[in-house]
Amino acid sequence: EVQLVESGGGLVQPGGSLRLSCAASGFTFSSYWMSWVRQAPGKGLEWVANIKQDGSEKYYVDSVKGRFTISRDNAKNSLYLQMNSLRAEDTAVYYCARALRLIWDYWGQGTLVTVSS
Amino acid sequence: VIWMTQSPSLLSASTGDRVIISCRMSQGISSYLAWYQQKPGKAPELLIYAASTLQSGVPSRFSGSGSGTDFTLTISCLQSEDFATYYCQQYYSFPLTFGQGTKLEIK
Repeated sequence: EVQLVESGGGLVQPGGSLRLSCAASGFTFSSYWMSWVRQAPGKGLEWVANIKQDGSEKYYVDSVKGRFTISRDNAKNSLYLQMNSLRAEDTAVYYCARALRLIWDYWGQGTLVTVSS
Repeated sequence: VIWMTQSPSLLSASTGDRVIISCRMSQGISSYLAWYQQKPGKAPELLIYAASTLQSGVPSRFSGSGSGTDFTLTISCLQSEDFATYYCQQYYSFPLTFGQGTKLEIK
C-alpha cells in the first residue's frame, strides 16, 4: 500500500524557516517524480514544486523561487521541502504527492504550516 | 502561465442527478487535463487524467471530455459520497495550475 506521511509543519514567524519531510513507503520511491502541493485555509490547491527521480531536475512556482528548495533522499525514501524567508501568504496545508506524468495519484494527509507573529 | 476558469463555483444538486462541471483554459492544452475530488479535511484524490481516462478504482459514473481549451467533468446519477469539491488541473506546461474549484453540495 502506497503511503506518504508528511511532518515538520508548525507555527513560524514571518522571515523564519521550516523544513518539511515526507516519508514514502509501499512503492519504489526512486522511480517517481515527487511534488509538494499546498492549500491555504479555505482556498484552492496550488502546486509548489516538483523533483525528478534522481533530483537532477527541479521546478518551482514563481512565488517560492529563491525561498523554497525541494530535495529527496532515495536511500531514505524521503522527500523534503526547505522553506526560508517565510511569509504570511505561505500559510497552508502542505501535501506531499507522488507524481505520474505531472499529475498526482497518491497524496499524503498534509502538514499545516502557519506563518504568523 | 495558463489560467483556468472553472464553473460553477458552487453547484447544488440532489442524489440521482446528473451534473456537469466546466473548466476553460486561457490557451490550448491538448488533453493534458486532470480532475480531482477533495472532501473536507482530506487530501485530493485523482479521478480522471488525459481529459477522459478514468483513474483505476474510480466509479464509471464519473466521466471527462474535451480537448484544447474546453473540458467538462460529468457525474451521472449522483451518490451521497460524491458531494465534495472538484478541481481541474492542467499539466501541459509549468507552472502546473488548478482551477478555483467547484463545491458540489446537497440541494
